[in-house]
Amino acid sequence: GQQVMQIPQYQHVQEGEDFTTYCNSSTTLSNIQWYKQRPGGHPVFLIQLVKSGEVKKQKRLTFQFGEAKKNSSLHITATQTTDVGTYFCAGPGTPKGGYNKLIFGAGTRLAVHP
Amino acid sequence: DTEVTQTPKHLVMGMTNKKSLKCEQHMGHRAMYWYKQKAKKPPELMFVYSYEKLSINESVPSRFSPECPNSSLLNLHLHALQPEDSALYLCASSQDPGVAGGKYTGELFFGEGSRLTVL
Repeated sequence: GQQVMQIPQYQHVQEGEDFTTYCNSSTTLSNIQWYKQRPGGHPVFLIQLVKSGEVKKQKRLTFQFGEAKKNSSLHITATQTTDVGTYFCAGPGTPKGGYNKLIFGAGTRLAVHP
Repeated sequence: DTEVTQTPKHLVMGMTNKKSLKCEQHMGHRAMYWYKQKAKKPPELMFVYSYEKLSINESVPSRFSPECPNSSLLNLHLHALQPEDSALYLCASSQDPGVAGGKYTGELFFGEGSRLTVL
C-alpha cells in the first residue's frame, strides 16, 4: 500500500537551534497533513497542505509541500522546550470502500535540551 | 481540551475477558476512526465509520469488533485478546470522510486514548 517515509527518526537539538523533518512518498499525494504528539499525549492536527509548492507558516513552524507533491517538510525555527514531541506526517493511503484513509509516517521524535 | 472523549483511560484485562472501549464526539462529525498505537510507533488505522457505516476494516482480527450506535458514539468491543494487543487505542473523528480521489482528507480530531494492557 501507499506509504509516506519520514526522516530522521529521532533528533536532539539545543534550545534555540532549528529543526527539520522530512516526508517522502513514491507516488503523488493529493494532500499531506502534519500532527504533533507530546509525550504521553495524543496526536494533534497542525496543518494540511494541498497545493503543489505550497508553503504555510504558523509562528516558528514552516510547512512545505513539494512541487511534485511527493515530499513535504516541517521546519521549526529557534526550538523551545515546548516543541518536544513526535511530529508525524500523514497522507492518504490507497483508497478503500470509496474513501480516503489517513496513513501516518513513522514520525520524528524531537528532544530539546535547555 | 480534546472534543473527542474516550473511556476508560486505562484498562487491564485478561485474555478471556470481554470489555469495550467507548468514544464520543459532539462536533457533528460524520466519520469516526479507531487507531492502534504501540510505543514509539505511529498510529495504525484499524476501522473507519463513514456516515455511521463501516467503510474501512484494515484486516483487523475478529477479536476486535467495532460498533457505531449513532453518529456521536463509537465502540470497540474486545474479546479473547492477546498480550501483543496491548497498546494505546485512539479514537478520532473528522467532519467528513475523505472521498477517494478527492483533494482533501478530513482533519482528524483525536481523543486522549485508552491504554490497554492484556495480561
